[in-house]
Amino acid sequence: EPEVTQTPSHQVTQMGQEVILRCVPISNHLYFYWYRQILGQKVEFLVSFYNNEISEKSEIFDDQFSVERPDGSNFTLKIRSTKLEDSAMYFCASTDRTSGSSYEQYFGPGTRLTVT
Amino acid sequence: ELKVEQNPLFLSMQEGKNYTIYCNYSTTSDRLYWYRQDPGKSLESLFVLLSNGAVKQEGRLMASLDTKARLSTLHITAAVHDLSATYFCAVDSGGYQKVTFGTGTKLQVIP
Repeated sequence: EPEVTQTPSHQVTQMGQEVILRCVPISNHLYFYWYRQILGQKVEFLVSFYNNEISEKSEIFDDQFSVERPDGSNFTLKIRSTKLEDSAMYFCASTDRTSGSSYEQYFGPGTRLTVT
Repeated sequence: ELKVEQNPLFLSMQEGKNYTIYCNYSTTSDRLYWYRQDPGKSLESLFVLLSNGAVKQEGRLMASLDTKARLSTLHITAAVHDLSATYFCAVDSGGYQKVTFGTGTKLQVIP
């Protein structure tokens, strides 16, 4: 069964450093998302991406964040200058949203980001 | 802005008992999802509810959707320890848009 993959599974970085989280969505999906979950809290939407551009972003997704689809398979989230409060689990998701589909978002296993 | 609330936030129950988790949301939506999350793990899809009156069952779990009341329920029948996890409902805003998650219900089933 196709699945969303994410790398790395765990990233430790120092405050102020840049990190890139990588995702490979399911191959025939066209809509991509990033969510984050601070330990013990609910899952929060960050950004949605379609047709090579951001379709919606949350208040969390400020200028420190950017997303990119550099090739036909990868979808990346970059945090330019990490802060302690960026420590969280980051989930990538994708969906096809075509007629007849369930519109369900399929989630990757997550990347745990620890900022020290 | 779509708000999604779950209750209870924490549920401790004995094996063999029944209980219901409630998910209320604030704006119209025809698509609602239930996920299970084990500690430190990703989100496992449990149910996809796509229309008013939808009811889905899998093992000891049954989910329903009432779009008019903006309410979904996740009913647990004869709980077993393996069901211990955090359960999230999530509501689809439509279009390209995000899925908004509820606050989560941490379920602990005591043997």
